Amino acid sequence: DTAVSQTPKYLVTQMGNDKSIKCEQNLGHDTMYWYKQDSKKFLKIMFSYNNKELIINETVPNRFSPKSPDKAHLNLHINSLELGDSAVYFCASSPRDGTQETQYFGPGTRLLVL
Amino acid sequence: LAKTTQPISMDSYEGQEVNITCSHNNIATNDYITWYQQFPSQGPRFIIQGYKTKVTNEVASLFIPADRKSSTLSLPRVSLSDTAVYYCLVGRGGAAGNKLTFGGGTRVLVKP
Repeated sequence: DTAVSQTPKYLVTQMGNDKSIKCEQNLGHDTMYWYKQDSKKFLKIMFSYNNKELIINETVPNRFSPKSPDKAHLNLHINSLELGDSAVYFCASSPRDGTQETQYFGPGTRLLVL
Repeated sequence: LAKTTQPISMDSYEGQEVNITCSHNNIATNDYITWYQQFPSQGPRFIIQGYKTKVTNEVASLFIPADRKSSTLSLPRVSLSDTAVYYCLVGRGGAAGNKLTFGGGTRVLVKP
């Protein structure tokens, strides 16, 4: 039933490791996003994909690589994790690419890098 | 990019009206204004969206003055369950992609 789902919900790992976060939406939406929410609750967009094509790549270290195997999935792979990567990562989707589109957010993945 | 500024927090009491203003002085012609609500340990949830003047739905109202440099989210008769963080989002669509900028969020605490 879940519209936008993310796995895992929690992720605790050591510095230097590589990890992936998966996102799936069953809403039939064309556009998917990744956001990072830091400890101060600021939400910053990282990436946006429309029909499996990258349309936004904000100033994000290239250790972060999104991958969209199909329109319903947008995974986030992070190489060489750093302490500063600790945050909550939200996946979202919208029907189309457009600022007037309502975004539907997943429950978030809480990443803690030790 | 249209930077947004919101108050950090607001306290209210059950049954009162809560008004949260977001400043977005650099808003562009084709930018929409969207508000989201976030409860602890959950993702943000859409509340309301507008382009100009006033928009009302079953949850809230959104007031946008003619110059569109600010917007005010109005929550009528709040209840304890309205305690959450409210984000203002201004986005610009176009061929270069959407530049989406969330405000810092306003933490609303509704007291009994």
